[in-house]
Amino acid sequence: DVKVTQSSRYLVKRTGEKVFLECVQDMDHENMFWYRQDPGLGLRLIYFSYDVKMKEKGDIPEGYSVSREKKERFSLILESASTNQTSMYLCASSYGRRRETQYFGPGTRLLVL
Amino acid sequence: KQEVTQIPAALSVPEGENLVLNCSFTDSAIYNLQWFRQDPGKGLTSLLLIQSSQREQTSGRLNASLDKSSGRSTLYIAASQPGDSATYLCAVRFGNEKLTFGTGTRLTIIP
Repeated sequence: DVKVTQSSRYLVKRTGEKVFLECVQDMDHENMFWYRQDPGLGLRLIYFSYDVKMKEKGDIPEGYSVSREKKERFSLILESASTNQTSMYLCASSYGRRRETQYFGPGTRLLVL
Repeated sequence: KQEVTQIPAALSVPEGENLVLNCSFTDSAIYNLQWFRQDPGKGLTSLLLIQSSQREQTSGRLNASLDKSSGRSTLYIAASQPGDSATYLCAVRFGNEKLTFGTGTRLTIIP
């Protein structure tokens, strides 16, 4: 079974803090993704990566950065957290290009005060 | 703009009934379409993946169909059970690398 894990289920941070969300997958997948999910807006892609040290912007990259130093790990960074970044963050991974299923982690619910 | 729409946003059905969830998309040039299930506060679980060359996929009590020409997909659930209660999300891979998600249908099965 594919397993995608996220470092925290719940996180509370203050405005201006630097926040790291970690995602690890154990199936040697090339592709990894970060989404945020908000009521009424659905899932929106923040960043994705097709290989180590490679990253591409998704639909809403502003205020975020990512790091992929190892194939199994993809980190999402909020350089200076703001209240409008309060959301559910979901990581996913997949094998190959375009045609493969994405497997999701359990999510991190982030509250920025 | 490529969009995915799921209507209705919520649906309640008595246990044992068959039901259909709908998904529509704006561009017929798709690579594939995927149905997910999400339980409250949890991540997404993939249910079925239909490639653009396929018309349907089946897994147990679930059957997903794809009609590219009309821009529609349906997820059919047979003999519904209370454990089927969840939010069901449709996601489409258009002619690029990214998945575009609908906002989901929240399904409640009434015992």
